Formats: sequence, structure tokens, C-alpha cells
Amino acid sequence: SSELTQDPAVSVALGQTVRITCQGDSLRSYYASWYQQKPGQAPVLVIYGKNNRPSGIPDRFSGSSSGNTASLTITGAQAEDEADYYCNSRDSSGNHRVVFGGGTKLTVL
Amino acid sequence: QVQLQESGPGLVKPSETLSLTCAVSGYSISSGYYWGWIRQPPGKGLEWIGSIYHSGSTYYNPSLKSRVTISVDTSKNQFSLKLSSVTAADTAVYYCARQDGHYDSSGYYVEYFQHWGQGTLVTVSS
Repeated sequence: SSELTQDPAVSVALGQTVRITCQGDSLRSYYASWYQQKPGQAPVLVIYGKNNRPSGIPDRFSGSSSGNTASLTITGAQAEDEADYYCNSRDSSGNHRVVFGGGTKLTVL
Repeated sequence: QVQLQESGPGLVKPSETLSLTCAVSGYSISSGYYWGWIRQPPGKGLEWIGSIYHSGSTYYNPSLKSRVTISVDTSKNQFSLKLSSVTAADTAVYYCARQDGHYDSSGYYVEYFQHWGQGTLVTVSS
């Protein structure tokens, strides 16, 4: 079972703002990173650290964190943003374990 | 431009050993970073299997540790995964990826996989 908890599914109207959350004790010590995965494709990193976007990721994607919760916000969601989103971080057990959230299916209406 | 490519058998029999290799181009493994394996069963989420540093130091998912071996061949710029005693539950798309990590200005550590292979489906079946 995942030690990072995500809502299984979220929907957003086209052009609106949506927040996808990730909860876990490890997030009190480590930043989350976020990945977008479309069917049949490898995950793509969209946010890492406090709020860093790799080159080529639109600025409508942003990240934030508070306590044990990390959030990925898409401001002005586009049809092409419909995908599965996963968070990940280092586990707080101290043994270099990496954990992923269970994923959130984003539907753009 | 860093590129990773998985290779190996797409079909493995139950109780046998799954073996995959990840060839890296555009970056020398010897230069640093951890290099990881992640898998995704059909219709399910991502699961970290383990990672290796260029020096050979390894870290494994405790749930798989007894069956996993990850090794690195810096002369070929590739790293490999072996998973023994496989069952149908090991059927998945297996990805290799470069594992980046650093402390930011606030002292928090961030770890992420920026470069991924395309993934390879391994089916465990007789």
C-alpha cells in the first residue's frame, strides 16, 4: 500500500483551476515531485521541489506544500492535461526508500 | 540529452528470473546520480523497485528486497535489474529512470525522476 495518499479521481471544467493533493508523513521532511502520465506513455516530471518546473512544462502547472500535504495546481486546465498524476518523495524512514502516491485520474470536462 | 532504453525478454515463466537492462545515452553513469527501476502493473500505479549509484551502492524497496538485484556496468553505460522467483503479480511495465536529488535552500531534500525510459512490458506466464 502507498504511504502517500492521493484522491483516486478529480475533474475540472475546461479553463478552470484544479488542485491535486498528496498526503503523507514523509512530506513533513521531503518535498514531493509530481508526474503526469498519459495512456501508454512513460511518466513525465512536471513539478519538483518547492515549485520547480522542468524545461518545457507550461507555467499553468505549479506546486506547493504545507505540513504533510503537497499540492499540484493546474491554473486554466486544458484538454491535454487529462491524465494520471502521481506524487513521489523520499520515505521518512531513513533508508533511502522512494515512495509513490497511488495516483489521481484527472478528467477535463 | 539524456536517454534511457530498457531491453529484455517480454515473457518470463513463473518461478524464473526476470532480467532487464537499461542503456543510457547522453550522460555517463560514472559521472554520478542514482539510477532506478520503477514498475507499473497493468491499470495500476507506480512502484519503486530500487536504485543504484554509479559506485554500486544500492537501495531496494523492502517489499521486494529479497528478490531484487540491481547492478551497474559503467564500461557499457548501463544498469540492470534481476527479479527472482517471479509470479503473475510481477507482470508490469518496467521503467528505468535517472534519479535526481538535492537539498534546496530551505534545507528540504527533493528527489525526482526527470529522465525515463519508454518502459517495457514483462508478462509472467507459463
